[in-house]
Amino acid sequence: GAVVSQHPSRVICKSGTSVKIECRSLDFQATTMFWYRQFPKKSLMLMATSNEGSKATYEQGVEKDKFLINHASLTLSTLTVTSAHPEDSSFYICSAKVLETQYFGPGTRLLVL
Amino acid sequence: EDQVTQSPEALRLQEGESSSLNCSYTVSGLRGLFWYRQDPGKGPEFLFTLYSAGEEKEKERLKATLTKKESFLHITAPKPEDSATYLCAVQARGGANSKLTFGKGITLSVRP
Repeated sequence: GAVVSQHPSRVICKSGTSVKIECRSLDFQATTMFWYRQFPKKSLMLMATSNEGSKATYEQGVEKDKFLINHASLTLSTLTVTSAHPEDSSFYICSAKVLETQYFGPGTRLLVL
Repeated sequence: EDQVTQSPEALRLQEGESSSLNCSYTVSGLRGLFWYRQDPGKGPEFLFTLYSAGEEKEKERLKATLTKKESFLHITAPKPEDSATYLCAVQARGGANSKLTFGKGITLSVRP
């Protein structure tokens, strides 16, 4: 149980384009999902908390107009990186909460050229 | 501000050589301490949750323990497949969506 999927697993895009990443809870409903970013050999940095049916809560320093989060259903949250630039290249990971435990997706590797 | 420090940064063991990974934390009221395993290029995999000092949990060759200031992940007779980065995270009391604060992780390499 508690399986979280992400799509795509990796994406390469040109600078200035937008990229959408999907996060799904496969065998449970998640009212709360989280989006993280991880740089090489660094720990996970929380970007935002996504609550179903309401606006996401962004961490300090994260641009909400650049990283659009939508949590339209109890099994799906999406992260859209708008007007991506090379500095947005990173490993993006989502998680979904079951009681007090977060279960993570496999991650999405984004490379912006 | 909640803080998590993991040590050592990297650990190399021979197969069968038992050891412990340390996670020191400061938090304004601990709600839970979590251990995850992360393989390269993948998302973290949940291992354990500990809630109060003195609590212990075991899974195969791994045992996690908790005190008021730190947690240890003990690895008994490790195998090469135990090679991974082990992440420790704390969740503070307050709010249903209380976030996790992660340490930088300990990269474990087990040689055959």
